[in-house]
Amino acid sequence: TQLLEQSPQFLSIQEGENLTVYCNSSSVFSSLQWYRQEPGEGPVLLVTVVTGGEVKKLKRLTFQFGDARKDSSLHITAAQPGDTGLYLCAGGDDKIIFGKGTRLHILP
Amino acid sequence: DSGVTQTPKHLITATGQRVTLRCSPRSGDLSVYWYQQSLDQGLQFLIQYYNGEERAKGNILERFSAQQFPDLHSELNLSSLELGDSALYFCASSVDGGQLYEQYFGPGTRLTVT
Repeated sequence: TQLLEQSPQFLSIQEGENLTVYCNSSSVFSSLQWYRQEPGEGPVLLVTVVTGGEVKKLKRLTFQFGDARKDSSLHITAAQPGDTGLYLCAGGDDKIIFGKGTRLHILP
Repeated sequence: DSGVTQTPKHLITATGQRVTLRCSPRSGDLSVYWYQQSLDQGLQFLIQYYNGEERAKGNILERFSAQQFPDLHSELNLSSLELGDSALYFCASSVDGGQLYEQYFGPGTRLTVT
């Protein structure tokens, strides 16, 4: 059974700081996706990583897919209050699974 | 606005009852996914339909069923409801059924079973 574990579960930091959250598995994934979910809304896709070692940038967000395609990280530079939300990683071939997420709170 | 609509937004019902949640996918999307989100379990994939046919099944209970109609809207039926079924239910749609295709999520239906 494929599982995705996200860490940390909660993170509260000051505006302007950098942070990294992780998505780990013991299984190999053909691709992984990162979503952000705000309270009362559905998740919104941020990025899909496909190739082992791949790095994708989305403004201040940098996503990396591990060389072995078992893990991924999301690094945020100079965090802003608008980055607050639940960050979810997801993957799977025929059945999509989501990690439980990292709840990020950026303090102004 | 993702373009995916879900009704109703909120639903309060009693144990043992049956409810139907409705989802209209984005225009042009053929695939519909249903998810359940609770605080302790996170976002759980229930079932996927592609162009009217069941494509993949996740952790969907036997008390739950779904279908996708010819106009591509989908319904999730929950029966013999239990307190533990209280959760947010999301529908998502994508152009195709492949995992690389972006899923667009609806705003969800909050189900409360009392």
